[in-house]
Amino acid sequence: ETGVTQSPTHLIKTRGQQVTLRCSSQSGHNTVSWYQQALGQGPQFIFQYYREEENGRGNFPPRFSGLQFPNYSSELNVNALELDDSALYLCASSLRQGAYEQYFGPGTRLTVT
Amino acid sequence: AQSVSQHNHHVILSEAASLELGCNYSYGGTVNLFWYVQYPGQHLQLLLKYFSGDPLVKGIKGFEAEFIKSKFSFNLRKPSVQWSDTAEYFCAVILPGNAGNMLTFGGGTRLMVKP
Repeated sequence: ETGVTQSPTHLIKTRGQQVTLRCSSQSGHNTVSWYQQALGQGPQFIFQYYREEENGRGNFPPRFSGLQFPNYSSELNVNALELDDSALYLCASSLRQGAYEQYFGPGTRLTVT
Repeated sequence: AQSVSQHNHHVILSEAASLELGCNYSYGGTVNLFWYVQYPGQHLQLLLKYFSGDPLVKGIKGFEAEFIKSKFSFNLRKPSVQWSDTAEYFCAVILPGNAGNMLTFGGGTRLMVKP
């Protein structure tokens, strides 16, 4: 069984640029959530996708957007990067929309300079 | 707003010492509770979870947690820690009906176990 994978591992971007992060769900999982983990803090929920539609959103501005594809993989896009966007971005998948147990990937470390 | 508080940011213990990490949440209704662990260089892993039933929950690697509804607490315990327990521990809750079944995390407790 393949776990949740994310790419790239690390990324350095300049303020104002745009970035796309990718996530492959654990096999059989149809729900993907994205979290932002700033240094020294717990992860914060960005949004969740279920069957290719956004299924819930945390307190993040519209410049954070996402996609889920038919194979349940997902992308997180961030436009107009700000210095405060520097963080570890975590993807988590779950078996179905109503399942509470989420399985996390290793994360993408984004640095904005 | 609902929140999760972890009282200790850093804990240092010697091997074989007992561990208790505090977690409190601010919500008066039914919640689903979790403890996650993040070992150095590894991804977040689920230690244990509570949905309903017996308030004393046993997880992996000898960890357990007790849900005390009257205290809004879900403290994590281990009778005897090992060096390999060095990690960061996160308490998290899901509030039924929350958009996307989102996990709300505490700030984390960094545990260092000295050999």
